[in-house]
Amino acid sequence: SQKIEQNSEALNIQEGKTATLTCNYTNYSPAYLQWYRQDPGRGPVFLLLIRENEKEKRKERLKVTFDTTLKQSLFHITASQPADSATYLCAPSGNTDKLIFGTGTRLQVFP
Amino acid sequence: ETGVTQSPTHLIKTRGQQVTLRCSSQSGHNTVSWYQQALGQGPQFIFQYYREEENGRGNFPPRFSGLQFPNYSSELNVNALELDDSALYLCASSLGVRISEGYTFGSGTRLTVV
Repeated sequence: SQKIEQNSEALNIQEGKTATLTCNYTNYSPAYLQWYRQDPGRGPVFLLLIRENEKEKRKERLKVTFDTTLKQSLFHITASQPADSATYLCAPSGNTDKLIFGTGTRLQVFP
Repeated sequence: ETGVTQSPTHLIKTRGQQVTLRCSSQSGHNTVSWYQQALGQGPQFIFQYYREEENGRGNFPPRFSGLQFPNYSSELNVNALELDDSALYLCASSLGVRISEGYTFGSGTRLTVV
């Protein structure tokens, strides 16, 4: 069955550093991979979508890579700020598949 | 009006009761997906509605049912509530069933079953 794995432990980094979050998937060949941010008690907020034929995508301080050979996506936040502290969810999907999420990685950026 | 609106925001029910959760989709969106998120877990897909028809279902029992209305708003009904149904229920809207853009989520309904 399809499996999506994200770092289960929280990631703690210092303000100004680059945060890197990992999403691995198995038994799956997604056409897209999406990243969402979720704050406590709130719904996820869409951040970025990357297609299988794209190696990298950027949006302001965010960068996502998609390696279909390794079955892995990396999500980077450069010059991280305390306001970036949240849980980040990845969601690989097919073209008309329903969005299926990983368990998320909690990021804590401290001053 | 923009954004996805869910009601109520919080709800406490007794085991065995029935509950209805409501969702107004973002303007222009015709597809609604419902998710259940237990504490510390990622959202789990319940089902999706597209143009008033169910368009896929996750691994949830039949006591979880839904509706989509002509204005694309939606309801999630849960019968015979169990303690394990306590969770944050999220509604997400999108335009069509092809995933080429992100979903827009509501803030969720926190359901507590006692």
